[in-house]
Amino acid sequence: EIVMTQSPATLSVSPGERATLSCRASQSVSSNLAWFQQKPGQAPRLLIYGASTRATGIPARFSGSGSGTEFTLTISSLQSEDFAVYYCQQYDKWPPWTFGQGTKVEIK
Amino acid sequence: EVQLVQSGAEVKKPGESLKISCKGSGYSFTSYWIGWVRQMPGKGLEWMGIIYPGDSDSRYSPSFQGQVTISADKSISTAYLQWSSLKASDTAMYYCARGPGYFDYWGQGTLVTVSS
Repeated sequence: EIVMTQSPATLSVSPGERATLSCRASQSVSSNLAWFQQKPGQAPRLLIYGASTRATGIPARFSGSGSGTEFTLTISSLQSEDFAVYYCQQYDKWPPWTFGQGTKVEIK
Repeated sequence: EVQLVQSGAEVKKPGESLKISCKGSGYSFTSYWIGWVRQMPGKGLEWMGIIYPGDSDSRYSPSFQGQVTISADKSISTAYLQWSSLKASDTAMYYCARGPGYFDYWGQGTLVTVSS
């Protein structure tokens, strides 16, 4: 099973600042990596797939990069609605697909 | 519009059985996999398993193999997650989502509470 490790666990950022979230895979997953955003009481929402392709309707301030074992989600200028928990997920080798443990982005 | 609508919250006792559902609409239900994801209280997302409604081919995470059963009825565009004997540790929110790789559409979640 591929283990996905996200860092940091919590990121404190001021509105308007840049946020950089990391996700590392225990073995290569090529570019088969997705990012999700989850707000309290809501289902997760797909942000990025294929490591760098924004899903439909996702603002351009969200960008993904990386391949192999190292991935990054960048939020260029945090808006109030971006404070949430973010998860990465690999879909290269199954079963199972696996999620990271999440990074909480909170207001500084 | 693609929608996945899940059945309502459940409160069960340990040892009871349960089957929750996920109804798809707005797309060809038999052409996409449907997966299930567990989220225990205050915790992260866990991939449980997935089914292809077109032929009922299913795959499970080793962590959930033998603990749950995933099925689908393509005639009514509905996927299911079931337990034969619930445990208190099954208390969680369960989401269905459309796959097979990344999940692009998600249901609203079904909260399952198991308590004596």
